[in-house]
Amino acid sequence: KQEVTQIPAALSVPEGENLVLNCSFTDSAIYNLQWFRQDPGKGLTSLLLIQSSQREQTSGRLNASLDKSSGRSTLYIAASQPGDSATYLCAVRNRGSTLGRLYFGRGTQLTVWP
Amino acid sequence: SAVISQKPSRDICQRGTSLTIQCQVDSQVTMMFWYRQQPGQSLTLIATANQGSEATYESGFVIDKFPISRPNLTFSTLTVSNMSPEDSSIYLCSVEPAGTGRIILSGQETQYFGPGTRLLVL
Repeated sequence: KQEVTQIPAALSVPEGENLVLNCSFTDSAIYNLQWFRQDPGKGLTSLLLIQSSQREQTSGRLNASLDKSSGRSTLYIAASQPGDSATYLCAVRNRGSTLGRLYFGRGTQLTVWP
Repeated sequence: SAVISQKPSRDICQRGTSLTIQCQVDSQVTMMFWYRQQPGQSLTLIATANQGSEATYESGFVIDKFPISRPNLTFSTLTVSNMSPEDSSIYLCSVEPAGTGRIILSGQETQYFGPGTRLLVL
């Protein structure tokens, strides 16, 4: 069974700092890994998706890396802003899963203060 | 992409009652999913709902407790039956517009989530 762990559980930083959020998973046989952002009352928004054959993906101030062999991914947020405050979730899709099941971590709750 | 709406957005219910949550998508999709997020926990898949067939439930979830309907390709409902305080959670539906049901995935498949229904059972 796939298990996804995210560290830290919560993070509070001043504006402008560069951040690293960590995600680890136990089964390396994955199709892809996604980072989502969860805002209260707004559901989940996909930030970055990394295919198993890729090492990293970038979107604006966000960079996500994937080391499939070690079962790890990191989400790097550059020059953090108060608008980045949200819960960040990591999710993996296992190989052999045709039903679309995603395995989620518990998330990192990020607060960026001015 | 897909735009998903859920009703209700939140509710407070008494134990022993049932609540039906609606999920509406702005495009036709083959597969819809229902997740539960208990306080402080990760999202857990309850079931997969295909149009025209019975929903497929994950281990630990049963149809009598969480009956699901999927009458067409843009709509689904999840009922939380005979509720107890342990059912207090956020319930989210999601869809996967591309490639659903294929044996070989491209690796780019992603899911789109609704805003969730926040349920409190007293």
